Formats: sequence, structure tokens, C-alpha cells
Amino acid sequence: GAGVSQSPSNKVTEKGKDVELRCDPISGHTALYWYRQSLGQGLEFLIYFQGNSAPDKSGLPSDRFSAERTGGSVSTLTIQRTQQEDSAVYLCASSLDTLTKLFFGSGTQLSVL
Amino acid sequence: GNSVTQMEGPVTLSEEAFLTINCTYTATGYPSLFWYVQYPGEGLQLLLKATKADDKGSNKGFEATYRKETTSFHLEKGSVQVSDSAVYFCALSDSQAGTALIFGKGTTLSVSS
Repeated sequence: GAGVSQSPSNKVTEKGKDVELRCDPISGHTALYWYRQSLGQGLEFLIYFQGNSAPDKSGLPSDRFSAERTGGSVSTLTIQRTQQEDSAVYLCASSLDTLTKLFFGSGTQLSVL
Repeated sequence: GNSVTQMEGPVTLSEEAFLTINCTYTATGYPSLFWYVQYPGEGLQLLLKATKADDKGSNKGFEATYRKETTSFHLEKGSVQVSDSAVYFCALSDSQAGTALIFGKGTTLSVSS
């Protein structure tokens, strides 16, 4: 596609429910990143996929968070048993490799009530 | 570990004023350094980058010089415009360590006419 696509753009859920956020990176980009952007916290790294290497999960805040990248393309970020503090904008980005610039999607605004 | 620290905002300036947004970093290897910008209602996009010491990145009148001796990458612009109002993020990538892009917390710039 022309750019990084994320869906849904907005998600409202109840506390305790599971949510899945989807990211379609730019075709051919081997690196894919998930970040979380919340007020006062800036841009927080969550997880990073690079080619066939094991993902860097060092930024995931708890074991309720997980992510997969199927076939080296589409990625899904799953948050189980959502909490109010999970409310934020979840951003996905992709790049040709770590030396080149990241292209960001428009994000998913998650609101946990 | 790697980290980025940038000056807290908001920064409020009049049009044509000189801008400096400070950024310092901590890295174990030889990182590449970036400034990303997020205009209101838009996604993050790369503003400029520098990949080795003493390199100067520049774009749209903005400049930043990679200073290894002071571990800094301060963003400057000689004459800001109202259209420069945005959130600016300093970031680093340690490609040798294979790490993802690590961002600072962002600095909000507001320029008035």
C-alpha cells in the first residue's frame, strides 16, 4: 500500500475486555515497530520486529500485551484484560531496515472505560 | 541502556524568533540520531537525521549537529514560522545493537504571529 495502515482508528472498550489492533506495513519493509503515545509520557517503545529475527519485546509493559507478525507483513497487537491506564494512541511504523526512516501509521486511539 | 532526554515544553515563540530544542542521549554503541515532527492532526514524520559524529542533518530550515563529545543533537532554526508549530521528538537508533528507535518524550512548540 501507499503507507502504513492501522485499524481500527478508534476503539472504545470496557475494562477487562481483550482488544486487537492491526497494522499493515508498507510492502517490502522488513522492520515493524509498535509504540504507545500518551499524554505526558511521550512516545513509548513497545515491540520491534526485524525480518526473521526474534522480536525485541523489551518495551512491553506487562504480560497482558503481546504482538505477532504473520508472514513478515501484517502485525497484530493484542492487549488482554484491558485496564484504564492502557488508554493511549497506539502507533505502528515500518522501515526498510533500522538505518532508514520510519513511516508511521495514523494510530489507533484506544479508550478503556 | 540507550535513552534520549529532551527539554520539556511547551516552547512558545513569536514568529521569526530563533529556536533551540535541546536533546542529549545515552548510548552504549554508535547510534544514529533523528528528529521527528508531529504536526497537529498528522502522523509522525522524519525531519532530519545524522548517522555519525560531526554530521549535520538539515531540512526545512532546521538543523542539528551530532556532537559525540557532549552526547547532544540539539535542534535549531534561525527563524520560526507559525507553520512550525508541532511536537518535536528526538530519537536514536543503535543499528549495531539491532535496537529499535528510542524516542524522547517530545517537545511542543507553539509559534504565534
